[in-house]
Amino acid sequence: DIQMTQSPPSLSASLGDKVTITCQTSQNINKYIAWYQQKPGKAPRLLIGFTSRLVSGIPSRFSGSGSGRDYSFSISNVESEDIASYYCLQYDNSPPTFGGGTKLELK
Amino acid sequence: EVKLQQSGDELVRPGASVKISCKASGYTFTNYAMYWVKQSPGQGLEWIGTIIPLIDTTSYNQKFKGKATLTADKSSNTAYMELSRLTSEDSAVYYCARAGNYGYTPFDYWGQGVMVTVSS
Repeated sequence: DIQMTQSPPSLSASLGDKVTITCQTSQNINKYIAWYQQKPGKAPRLLIGFTSRLVSGIPSRFSGSGSGRDYSFSISNVESEDIASYYCLQYDNSPPTFGGGTKLELK
Repeated sequence: EVKLQQSGDELVRPGASVKISCKASGYTFTNYAMYWVKQSPGQGLEWIGTIIPLIDTTSYNQKFKGKATLTADKSSNTAYMELSRLTSEDSAVYYCARAGNYGYTPFDYWGQGVMVTVSS
């Protein structure tokens, strides 16, 4: 199984900050990585697929990049509604595997 | 509008079984695979297994073989997951999520989740 090392586990930011989360995979996943937002008591919501493809309706302050084994996800100009947990998912190989998550909190 | 509507929260006794449903609407059920994901309290996300309704094929995370059984009813556009011989370790929220039949697509729509609590 492909291991996903997501960091940091938690992040504290002020409104308007830019934050970045990274996922390192145990092998090349050919850009098949997605990023999800999860708020308490809710299902994960897909934000970005295939490394950098923003889902329709998702604000452009969310972005993703990377290749090979190293991927990142950023939020520019953090807003209060962005306070949530974020997860990466690789879907290049079965089984699909998730990163451990990053909890974004307000400073 | 694509929607995955899951059944309600469950309180079950240790050793019992529970069957969770996930009713799909707003798309052609057989055009997509259904994935099941476990989220233990305060924890991350873990893939349980996948069913491809088009060809009635299932695949499971080795960890959940013998624990979870996935089925799908094409006549009602509903996927099911049965969990057997429940223990406290099975207390979690369980999600269904859809993705393309042939891989290489992320889980794009999710059900609202079912909280299963195992307690005597």
